Amino acid sequence: EVQLLESGGGLVQPGGSLRLSCAASGFTFSNYGMNWVRQAPGKGPEWVSTITTTGGSTNFADSVKGRFTISRDNSNNTLYLQLNSLRAGDTAVYYCARSKGWPPHLDVWGKGTTVTVSS
Amino acid sequence: EIVLTQSPATLSLSPGERATLSCRASQSVSSYLAWYQQRPGQAPRLLIYDASNRATGVPARFSGSGSGTDFTLTISTLEPEDFAIYYCQQRSNWPLTFGPGTKVDIK
Repeated sequence: EVQLLESGGGLVQPGGSLRLSCAASGFTFSNYGMNWVRQAPGKGPEWVSTITTTGGSTNFADSVKGRFTISRDNSNNTLYLQLNSLRAGDTAVYYCARSKGWPPHLDVWGKGTTVTVSS
Repeated sequence: EIVLTQSPATLSLSPGERATLSCRASQSVSSYLAWYQQRPGQAPRLLIYDASNRATGVPARFSGSGSGTDFTLTISTLEPEDFAIYYCQQRSNWPLTFGPGTKVDIK
């Protein structure tokens, strides 16, 4: 079964940092671009970042550019998102999602991990 | 940035009825538009990609059409599990963008 499982969310103070992980299983991880998408409470999804199969190219939403870093470890089938300089507006459920096409649609989603930025 | 607008914001229908949802793009996205379904407490689920292609496992009652700036998702006969929020998403240009959603609720 194709699965994505996020972890690493939690409560963090403004200005703090977190690293999210996404463990992939049931498919050949290294063959797919991967993405992070977030959803603030009561809002629609917001694309955050995309990484190519090798990690050689990345894209970011303007709202997170310079603060967030996306990376992957193909040997361990894991996707990462490093969140720095966090703000209240970054509070959301963060989903990892598999790419379909380029630029991508998103054909497989994890269940999400919650990030809350608050003092 | 390509802005996606969805209408109506809410669609109140009964099981067995036909649902027609609209998504309009601020500029042409060719056929690079997807539709997602999100049930409460769940992640979005891909229904339709590239305007008219059903994703794996999606029932045939879901269909998509359109190109350029105007797109439609049709649910031919609403089942109880179809009452949810539906989002469109374009992959024509970076940044990837989503519409604000249409909530299909029970009348």
